[in-house]
Amino acid sequence: QVQLQESGPGLVKPSQTLSLTCTVSGVSISSDSYYWTWIRQPAGKGLEWIGRISTSDITNYNPSLKSRATISLDTSKNQFSLKLSSVTAADTAVYYCASEPYFYDNSDFYYWFDPWGQGTLVTVSS
Amino acid sequence: DIQMTQSPSSLSISVGDRVTITCRASQSINRFLNWYQQRPGKAPKVLIYAASSLQSGVPSRFSGSGSGTDFTLTISSLQPEDFATYYCQQSYTTPRTFGQGTRVEVK
Repeated sequence: QVQLQESGPGLVKPSQTLSLTCTVSGVSISSDSYYWTWIRQPAGKGLEWIGRISTSDITNYNPSLKSRATISLDTSKNQFSLKLSSVTAADTAVYYCASEPYFYDNSDFYYWFDPWGQGTLVTVSS
Repeated sequence: DIQMTQSPSSLSISVGDRVTITCRASQSINRFLNWYQQRPGKAPKVLIYAASSLQSGVPSRFSGSGSGTDFTLTISSLQPEDFATYYCQQSYTTPRTFGQGTRVEVK
């Protein structure tokens, strides 16, 4: 089955760039049945969608991040990555990667997040 | 952005009780609505997609309904493993947005 695993530094200094990688197993990241997504969750708070990338390299981002986020694919390693620049303490959160499969019904595409990685805590602090 | 509002924010329930959680979208989202369960320290898990389709492997005591702006997640008979936080999420457009969550606690 499809599995995802996040990796990257757990501590990032303010104003630097946060970099995370999601390794996908069980399916080729080049499959056109999915978008590949990043979501984050500050401690004790709700879920915030960061953005996604398609297998044709089309990206969508949350405008709330003010163009600080960049998501990319590495098909040779079956991975996708997140870079978030100019981080502050407000970016401290558990970061999840997830796949976004879909099904087509009656001329509509229905998407949902499944599965998710286990999540990785990133703390922004000097 | 489409705002998703859940109610209640929390509820205290006994095992065996019926649970109903509602989610309202700030504009019509047809049936582009998903429900997730998140246990403490774990990643969310999808329960319902497309408003009422049960994800494979999810117990049949979970059900979803609604369309347009108003949606409901129902747990017919709460089990001990169902004490968790539940989130709705719209997939009508980007940015994807979530409700603030409903925490289901032991009474």
